[in-house]
Amino acid sequence: AIQLTQSPSSLSASVGDRVIITCRASQGFSSGLAWYQQKPGKAPKLLIYDASSLESGVPSRFSGSGSGTDFTLTISSLQPEDFATYYCQQFNSYPHSFGQGTKLEIK
Amino acid sequence: EVQLVQSGAEVKKPGESLKISCKGSGYSFTNYWIAWVRQMPGKGLEWMGIIYPGDSDTRYSPSFQGQVTISADKSMTTAYLQWSSLKASDTAMYYCARPLYSHGPYYYDSWGQGTLVTVSS
Repeated sequence: AIQLTQSPSSLSASVGDRVIITCRASQGFSSGLAWYQQKPGKAPKLLIYDASSLESGVPSRFSGSGSGTDFTLTISSLQPEDFATYYCQQFNSYPHSFGQGTKLEIK
Repeated sequence: EVQLVQSGAEVKKPGESLKISCKGSGYSFTNYWIAWVRQMPGKGLEWMGIIYPGDSDTRYSPSFQGQVTISADKSMTTAYLQWSSLKASDTAMYYCARPLYSHGPYYYDSWGQGTLVTVSS
């Protein structure tokens, strides 16, 4: 099974900051990776699919990149509504595992 | 509009059985996989398994194989997650989710509202 390790596990940042979250896979694959945002008490929301494709309706300040074992989610300029927990998920092989999450907090 | 509507919160005792549901509407139910995801209190997301209602092809995470059963009823456009004997450690929020495209079980763009299961004596 592919294990995903996100770093950092938590992060404090300010509005306007550029933030990068990394997802490292235990085995390499090309692009079957998604990023989700989850706010307290809510279901996750798809942000990025195919490692770098922006889901419809998601602001362009979110971007994804990577392949192989290293993937990143970048938020170019943090907005107040971006403070949440972020998860990566791989679809290369079953089980379609999630990373452990990165909690993004206001500094 | 695509909607996944889950059944309501449950409070059960250890050893009891339970079946929770996820009703799909606004799309062709038989043509899209439905996944189940667990979130224990204060913890991250865990992929449990997935079913293709068209032919009931089902895949489980090894962590959940034998612990739960995933099923679907095409006529009711509803997917189910069931336990035969609950444990306190099954206390969690359970989400169903549908993939972005019909051609594969990838990238969940539609989610149910979640069903909170509490198991306590």
